[in-house]
Amino acid sequence: GAGVSQSPSNKVTEKGKDVELRCDPISGHTALYWYRQSLGQGLEFLIYFQGNSAPDKSGLPSDRFSAERTGGSVSTLTIQRTQQEDSAVYLCASSLYGGLNTEAFFGQGTRLTVV
Amino acid sequence: AQSVTQLDSHVSVSEGTPVLLRCNYSSSYSPSLFWYVQHPNKGLQLLLKYTSAATLVKGINGFEAEFKKSETSFHLTKPSAHMSDAAEYFCVVRAPGNNNDMRFGAGTRLTVKP
Repeated sequence: GAGVSQSPSNKVTEKGKDVELRCDPISGHTALYWYRQSLGQGLEFLIYFQGNSAPDKSGLPSDRFSAERTGGSVSTLTIQRTQQEDSAVYLCASSLYGGLNTEAFFGQGTRLTVV
Repeated sequence: AQSVTQLDSHVSVSEGTPVLLRCNYSSSYSPSLFWYVQHPNKGLQLLLKYTSAATLVKGINGFEAEFKKSETSFHLTKPSAHMSDAAEYFCVVRAPGNNNDMRFGAGTRLTVKP
């Protein structure tokens, strides 16, 4: 497709289970971002990938969170041993490169509910 | 490092009246600035961007923003609000120097009253 695609769109999981969230960026975009948006809140930065450089993981809230990007394209965000406070919308964005003048394009997000 | 402050968490206007959403930024370098809109249960959509060309930037849906370096501001305006403008608006600054070069403001929720 032409836009950033995220799957699943909704995920309900039991506390303590692991979840994987997927992001397909726009083809050719080298920069990829993950954000978390809790109900009524702004965007919380999680992790940033740029080409083959080491990712910026400075926003990951705990060691239960990890992400990878295979082949410079698809990215997976993994949350282990989910907690109720992990419930949020997880947004992925991509941009042509991590440069000043390029805008980021966002996916529709994955709504995660931990029960 | 760069940062952005949206001065109002909530703005309420009547339909047909002007809209002003305020954004101030901090950056050690000449930044690029963006405004995104997020309608309920929707993804973020780019409204407009400033990238060191014209300081008055026109975007979609009648919105515009003016980059004022002396005031470090990038306020979003629209002459006449429409009911469909009700949404969350985010100001974003990008500047070189950090791995993650994109910083979001906390957001401003715009309510439009009939």
